[in-house]
Amino acid sequence: NAGVTQTPKFQVLKTGQSMTLQCAQDMNHEYMSWYRQDPGMGLRLIHYSVGAGITDQGEVPNGYNVSRSTTEDFPLRLLSAAPSQTSVYFCASSYDYRGNYEQYFGPGTRLTVT
Amino acid sequence: AQKVTQAQTEISVVEKEDVTLDCVYETRDTTYYLFWYKQPPSGELVFLIRRNSFDEQNEISGRYSWNFQKSTSSFNFTITASQVVDSAVYFCAHNAGGTSYGKLTFGQGTILTVHP
Repeated sequence: NAGVTQTPKFQVLKTGQSMTLQCAQDMNHEYMSWYRQDPGMGLRLIHYSVGAGITDQGEVPNGYNVSRSTTEDFPLRLLSAAPSQTSVYFCASSYDYRGNYEQYFGPGTRLTVT
Repeated sequence: AQKVTQAQTEISVVEKEDVTLDCVYETRDTTYYLFWYKQPPSGELVFLIRRNSFDEQNEISGRYSWNFQKSTSSFNFTITASQVVDSAVYFCAHNAGGTSYGKLTFGQGTILTVHP
């Protein structure tokens, strides 16, 4: 298994540009999440999904959109990037129907908005 | 809402010292889970332990041990005989069970530096 993969690893955007951060998992997990990590603030939940077609907002959803059309993929869209979105973004997945609850994290995407 | 507090922002020790990282949480959930993650300088998040709310047994894994006390809402992490490779940021996290399992609330993190 590849686990949780994220692309790209690094990205520089200009204010106002849009982009999609990709996240995929091959463990047949039902739950997927996006977090952002900022210095001194730990990781904060952006959006969350409990299955294909079902998403919910987390603590800091403004400026981000998500959709989950398949179990495997959970892309995060920035419609109009702002410098405040400069951060490291982590995708995570967990829970399969065999009862495996371990949380798996992707390697992260470092985003800079100028 | 849940809250996780790691009051120690940075800790610096000399190799072979024991070090304890504190974690205090607030929750109204009757069933919940607590986690510790390690983030080495390379940036990935490494899972260390998961504890559920109805299991207060302390756990030891090699040089690592965890003390979970519901009475004080604490889930502290001790590294015995620290090594330079333990230098990292350590995060404590909480989630509720059921469909909220994937919604982790993290503490601010503790930066641990182990000097040779």
